[in-house]
Amino acid sequence: AQKITQTQPGMFVQEKEAVTLDCTYDTSDQSYGLFWYKQPSSGEMIFLIYQGSYDEQNATEGRYSLNFQKARKSANLVISASQLGDSAMYFCAMREGAQGGSEKLVFGKGTKLTVNP
Amino acid sequence: NAGVTQTPKFRIPKIGQSMTLQCTQDMNHNYMYWYRQDPGMGLKLIYYSVGAGITDKGEVPNGYNVSRSTTEDFPLRLELAAPSQTSVYFCASSYGWGNGYTFGSGTRLTVV
Repeated sequence: AQKITQTQPGMFVQEKEAVTLDCTYDTSDQSYGLFWYKQPSSGEMIFLIYQGSYDEQNATEGRYSLNFQKARKSANLVISASQLGDSAMYFCAMREGAQGGSEKLVFGKGTKLTVNP
Repeated sequence: NAGVTQTPKFRIPKIGQSMTLQCTQDMNHNYMYWYRQDPGMGLKLIYYSVGAGITDKGEVPNGYNVSRSTTEDFPLRLELAAPSQTSVYFCASSYGWGNGYTFGSGTRLTVV
């Protein structure tokens, strides 16, 4: 079974609108972490946002926020006020186990976001 | 601030050749990783290391080897290049405190 599922292969959004990218995860650990990465067409991996399983508040970083619903095992990325530069692949990833362990990340297959002018 | 440096950026080995992808980081991170990314897919873990002298297999280790003699360096060796190893390879490092990895810029490998 996939540990990270991103069900949207591609998403389109108009510039200046908000968009939500879906991510569901599967783990039996109580302690885990969830990450979102952006991969523009140039290929580099850019860390966007992190949510720990024990964090009570949803993580936010500028225009990025993570809608963390623990009971549903979902960790959706919300991008507000989309910009043309947001067009990229977005990957959800999970670290199982407590911090200080192997810190291995498992990645989803990604969602390609296209921002239209 | 070099971060994580991968060399080369591109490589086109012939089937059966051996080669090494270099990765070095200057952030004194204990944790280092090698991932591969196939077209249209997410990243899959090949090998990782939690410190100098300690390495372990990830999800797709077959056909690869690693070593970690220093904190800074984590080279990935392909012993006998095969077409199935055509991919983009990313090296990454982290402090181990769950706040994200720093990725290198990647090596695009095409086995011909």
